[in-house]
Amino acid sequence: DIQMTQSPSSVSASVGDRVTITCRASQGISSWLAWYQQKPGKAPKLLIYAASSLQSGVPSRFSGSGSGTDFTLTISSLQPEDFATYYCQQANSFPRFTFGPGTKVDIK
Amino acid sequence: EVQLVQSGAEVKKPGESLKISCKGSGYSFTSYWIGWVRQMPGKGLEWMGIIYPGDSDTRYSPSFQGQVTISADKSISTAYLQWSSLKASDTAMYYCARQSPYSSSYSDYWGQGTLVTVSS
Repeated sequence: DIQMTQSPSSVSASVGDRVTITCRASQGISSWLAWYQQKPGKAPKLLIYAASSLQSGVPSRFSGSGSGTDFTLTISSLQPEDFATYYCQQANSFPRFTFGPGTKVDIK
Repeated sequence: EVQLVQSGAEVKKPGESLKISCKGSGYSFTSYWIGWVRQMPGKGLEWMGIIYPGDSDTRYSPSFQGQVTISADKSISTAYLQWSSLKASDTAMYYCARQSPYSSSYSDYWGQGTLVTVSS
């Protein structure tokens, strides 16, 4: 199976900061990557699909980039409601999808 | 409005069987894959498997093959996840998710989760 890694595992940031999270796949997955946000006690929420496409209703401060094995999620100006855990998910090998271990974004 | 509503929390003993449900509404239930995701306490997300309710085509992640059974009843727009003999290690939150119309590889709507606790 394709393994996913994320860095950092956690990041402390302030409102208004630019935050970047990196995801790496163990083999090339083209653009078959999604990003999800999960808040405590809640279900995950799809933010980005196909590496860089913004899901409907998601604020434009979220953006994704990358292809092949290296991907990035960027939050351009962190808002209070963005403090959460973020997961990448490879979607290349249907249906053997795998998630990254997550990156927790908390308040500095 | 698309909604996935899951059954309530369960407390079971090791060795017992269990079937949890996920009812879809607000869309054509038979036209979209439904996936199941496990989240163990304090841990990350794990993909379990997926079903196409239209014809019950079911696929499993290798880690979960033979450990659980995924099924669906399209007449009542409901997908299921079941265990024949629970273990303490099955204690987790379980989410169902609808796969996106853009691609069945992405989960665009999620249920609220069902907490399963297995303890003697």
